[in-house]
Amino acid sequence: GAVVSQHPSWVICKSGTSVKIECRSLDFQATTMFWYRQFPKQSLMLMATSNEGSKATYEQGVEKDKFLINHASLTLSTLTVTSAHPEDSSFYICSAQLAGDEQFFGPGTRLTVL
Amino acid sequence: GEDVEQSLFLSVREGDSSVINCTYTDSSSTYLYWYKQEPGAGLQLLTYIFSNMDMKQDQRLTVLLNKKDKHLSLRIADTQTGDSAIYFCAESYNTDKLIFGTGTRLQVFP
Repeated sequence: GAVVSQHPSWVICKSGTSVKIECRSLDFQATTMFWYRQFPKQSLMLMATSNEGSKATYEQGVEKDKFLINHASLTLSTLTVTSAHPEDSSFYICSAQLAGDEQFFGPGTRLTVL
Repeated sequence: GEDVEQSLFLSVREGDSSVINCTYTDSSSTYLYWYKQEPGAGLQLLTYIFSNMDMKQDQRLTVLLNKKDKHLSLRIADTQTGDSAIYFCAESYNTDKLIFGTGTRLQVFP
């Protein structure tokens, strides 16, 4: 199956700093990428949908100025958590999709904000 | 709004069958999925079923759908220790926006 990578796999940062997470589709071109957030013992919650070259569509309740998404190419999307706070600590997962096909998920990035 | 629920934990003996249950609320769901999440790995799509089907079998996996009760189940036959993972059901109207359940942690003991 298609491979999606995320970098870093885990990150610890101080409160008030910004953190960038990368999502790459390694062997296919993804027209759409999705960003999810997963809390412990809870389901994945869709944060936003991004299409290459256009602005991301954010789900209700997700602050677009807090979670900046850039989808600059068909193989790379980035999520930047700006001015991170402890409540932003979570597991962030991306998925990549080619034109309405199956979503392929990355392994996730664990963010801890001190 | 849309809501998908699962029991949190299931423990089975190796060789037995596992049945993981899921209920959903959105009657307009077109696709229903089962994903497997192992530590350090991305979610892996195990199988999916269209809402106009009531059963789908794929090797050791059997999916049953009761659309009237909005109930979905995943049966794993001859459960192995390698099946230990978290299993998520998910629904969608199209293939884009997935609504996930809370996940069921399956533990297989010898």
